[in-house]
Amino acid sequence: GENVEQHPSTLSVQEGDSAVIKCTYSDSASNYFPWYKQELGKRPQLIIDIRSNVGEKKDQRIAVTLNKTAKHFSLHITETQPEDSAVYFCAATRNTGKLIFGQGTTLQVKP
Amino acid sequence: DSGVTQTPKHLITATGQRVTLRCSPRSGDLSVYWYQQSLDQGLQFLIQYYNGEERAKGNILERFSAQQFPDLHSELNLSSLELGDSALYFCASSLTPGLAGEETQYFGPGTRLLVL
Repeated sequence: GENVEQHPSTLSVQEGDSAVIKCTYSDSASNYFPWYKQELGKRPQLIIDIRSNVGEKKDQRIAVTLNKTAKHFSLHITETQPEDSAVYFCAATRNTGKLIFGQGTTLQVKP
Repeated sequence: DSGVTQTPKHLITATGQRVTLRCSPRSGDLSVYWYQQSLDQGLQFLIQYYNGEERAKGNILERFSAQQFPDLHSELNLSSLELGDSALYFCASSLTPGLAGEETQYFGPGTRLLVL
């Protein structure tokens, strides 16, 4: 069935370093891949997304890359700041809109 | 603020009871989604409605049901509640699923359900 695997489950970096979170999806028909950031007790908030006809997308310090052949996509955060500390979720979906989420990555940025 | 509203924010109830969670989508959004977030299960898709019609279903229990009304707000009904139903329930909305630029899902603040 549909599945999204996300790694690592926890990630600790020093302020200013880069952070990379990786996801693999099983449904080859998936064509939309959003990333959400969730702070403790708050709602998930979209930080960046990518469609299957694009290999890479960048928004300031955040970038996402997609490898359709390998069914793999990654989130890259550069120059990390303490306010980047949160849980990050990747997700995948076909045209239905039904989001299949990864298990989440807890990112800790140490000042 | 995403523009998606959910009520109530918190709900404490007993096993065997029935509750109703309510969601109002962003103005103009036609699609509503329900997700369950528990500590050990992450974010799980429950059900999706588009313009009043059920569009997709996840692993939603038979004890759970939902509907979307003509004004596009949605309600999630949970019955015969069990301890394991304790979780955060999120509603999200989008304009048009599957359409580039209109498929972004915006999440509401969630309803925290505690079953004792």
